[in-house]
Amino acid sequence: NAGVMQNPRHLVRRRGQEARLRCSPMKGHSHVYWYRQLPEEGLKFMVYLQKENIIDESGMPKERFSAEFPKEGPSILRIQQVVRGDSAAYFCASSLGIGIDEQFFGPGTRLTVL
Amino acid sequence: DQQVKQNSPSLSVQEGRISILNCDYTNSMFDYFLWYKKYPAEGPTFLISISSIKDKNEDGRFTVFLNKSAKHLSLHIVPSQPGDSAVYFCAAKGLSGAGSYQLTFGKGTKLSVIP
Repeated sequence: NAGVMQNPRHLVRRRGQEARLRCSPMKGHSHVYWYRQLPEEGLKFMVYLQKENIIDESGMPKERFSAEFPKEGPSILRIQQVVRGDSAAYFCASSLGIGIDEQFFGPGTRLTVL
Repeated sequence: DQQVKQNSPSLSVQEGRISILNCDYTNSMFDYFLWYKKYPAEGPTFLISISSIKDKNEDGRFTVFLNKSAKHLSLHIVPSQPGDSAVYFCAAKGLSGAGSYQLTFGKGTKLSVIP
């Protein structure tokens, strides 16, 4: 039973480029959460999605960031026109239901903006 | 504002002794608390949790204590083992700005267990 998959594991972008981070939840999980961890910080909630719906995006910056979880395929976190401050580790988690203690985390994508 | 605080960035403990990791919170609306363990280059792994209606929860070598009046919780690991060396995150469940329940994490404490 594969866990939460994230790819790429490392992503390097130049300022102004776009970054696309992918997350495949655990089999059977329909709830996906994205978190960002800045250096020396804890994980910060960004967005919560269910299939084809954004449930809560209150933690996501209003500009340049978007997320989707289509009916088929992985969840995508998209960052347009990246800036150096976007450099961080981005973690995806999934759950079967809405119970917080049932969140399983992926290994993360480390984004570096040059 | 940091609602969940782990004031010790690091902790070193001798193998076989007790490790005590501390966490303080400010939001009295938090009703569920979790500890996650994280190894380098991996995602966090759920370790143990406690509801606000309890003051203690135990699972093998791991025990979490909650003091609601002090808004403080602690994770005890006994006996500590070298494989416990990792970063430990305290997290609390509360309502997000949009009204769904989400986790708020502390900055983590890096535990080193010395053989």
